[in-house]
Amino acid sequence: EPEVTQTPSHQVTQMGQEVILRCVPISNHLYFYWYRQILGQKVEFLVSFYNNEISEKSEIFDDQFSVERPDGSNFTLKIRSTKLEDSAMYFCASSGWGDRVSRTQYFGPGTRLTVL
Amino acid sequence: AQSVTQLDSQVPVFEEAPVELRCNYSSSVSVYLFWYVQYPNQGLQLLLKYLSGSTLVKGINGFEAEFNKSQTSFHLRKPSVHISDTAEYFCAVSRGGGADGLTFGKGTHLIIQP
Repeated sequence: EPEVTQTPSHQVTQMGQEVILRCVPISNHLYFYWYRQILGQKVEFLVSFYNNEISEKSEIFDDQFSVERPDGSNFTLKIRSTKLEDSAMYFCASSGWGDRVSRTQYFGPGTRLTVL
Repeated sequence: AQSVTQLDSQVPVFEEAPVELRCNYSSSVSVYLFWYVQYPNQGLQLLLKYLSGSTLVKGINGFEAEFNKSQTSFHLRKPSVHISDTAEYFCAVSRGGGADGLTFGKGTHLIIQP
């Protein structure tokens, strides 16, 4: 069964450094999303991406964040200058044409980002 | 804007007993409703969803949920739980646009006791 994959599973970085989190969505999907979950808190929507541009973003998704689909398979989240409060689990999700009606988003296993 | 409240952060249940995980939502527009499950060290997996039609929806692993518009609830139920159901359960809503993000509740940790 096709699945969303994310790399790395755990990323440790120093405050102020740039990080790129990578995701490979399900191959025929057209909508891509990033969410984050700070330890002990709820999963929060960051951004959605469709047709090579951002469709929707939350208040959390400020200028420090950017997303890109550099090729036909990868979807990346970049944090330009990490802060301690960016430490969280980051989930990628995707949904497809068929799923546009069903509204099902398929999630990856997450990348745990630790900012020191 | 919409919000989701999961009233219980933890629910301990004995194996083979029934369980109900509660979810209430708030929204000024019609929403779609979802339950996701997260097993340890894994991503979020869809259990079931309500888009329209019958208010009782059935999902995977024997779970079902009932949409109650007047009470703005979407409680998850299972008549008999197994040890393997131990996981974190998340209720979520969406306005339903093509690229709309999901709004999640805080999650309920279901603990199955032998």
